[in-house]
Amino acid sequence: EEQLVESGGGLVQPGGSLRLSCAGSAFTFRNYWLSWVRQAPGKGLEWVANIKEDGSVTHYLDSVKGRFIISRDNAKNSLHLQMNSLRVEDTAVYYCARRGGHDQWGQGTLVTVSS
Amino acid sequence: DIQMTQSPSSLSASVGDRVTITCRASQGINNFLAWFQQKPGQAPKSLIYAASSLQSGVPSTFSASGSGTDFTLTISSLQPEDFATYYCQQYNSYPFTFGPGTRVDVK
Repeated sequence: EEQLVESGGGLVQPGGSLRLSCAGSAFTFRNYWLSWVRQAPGKGLEWVANIKEDGSVTHYLDSVKGRFIISRDNAKNSLHLQMNSLRVEDTAVYYCARRGGHDQWGQGTLVTVSS
Repeated sequence: DIQMTQSPSSLSASVGDRVTITCRASQGINNFLAWFQQKPGQAPKSLIYAASSLQSGVPSTFSASGSGTDFTLTISSLQPEDFATYYCQQYNSYPFTFGPGTRVDVK
């Protein structure tokens, strides 16, 4: 069964950093664009960033540009999101998802930014 | 940025009802539109891609149509497991954007 599994969420203070990971299995990981999408508590879905199959192209939501870095390691079937200078408004469940149309999603990992 | 709107924001329906949700983009998106279903505490589930293509494993009671800026998701006969929130999303241009969601609950 094709699967994406996120990890790395937790509680962090404003201004702090956190690195999220997403492990893919049962599909050819290197063949797909991958995204991070987040959902603040009780709110809708918000696309955050994505990365091309070979990692050569990335795109970001304006509000995270310069603070977040998306990367991938195709040899390890892993996707990452390095989050720096975190703000209270970054509090959300973060999902990894496959393709522009987001056909496959992980279960999500909760990031809480609070003092 | 492309703004996505959905109507209605919520609706109440009964099992067996036909339900239609509308999604509108602020500019043309070349049919790069997806629909998702989300239940409380769960990750979104992909239903539709490319405006009208059904994802594998999604019941045929779901269908979608539209082009340009106006799109619809239809559930032909609402089942108990279909009570959820539905989102549309454009992936034609960056940043990808989602609609605010339509909550379908029990009448």
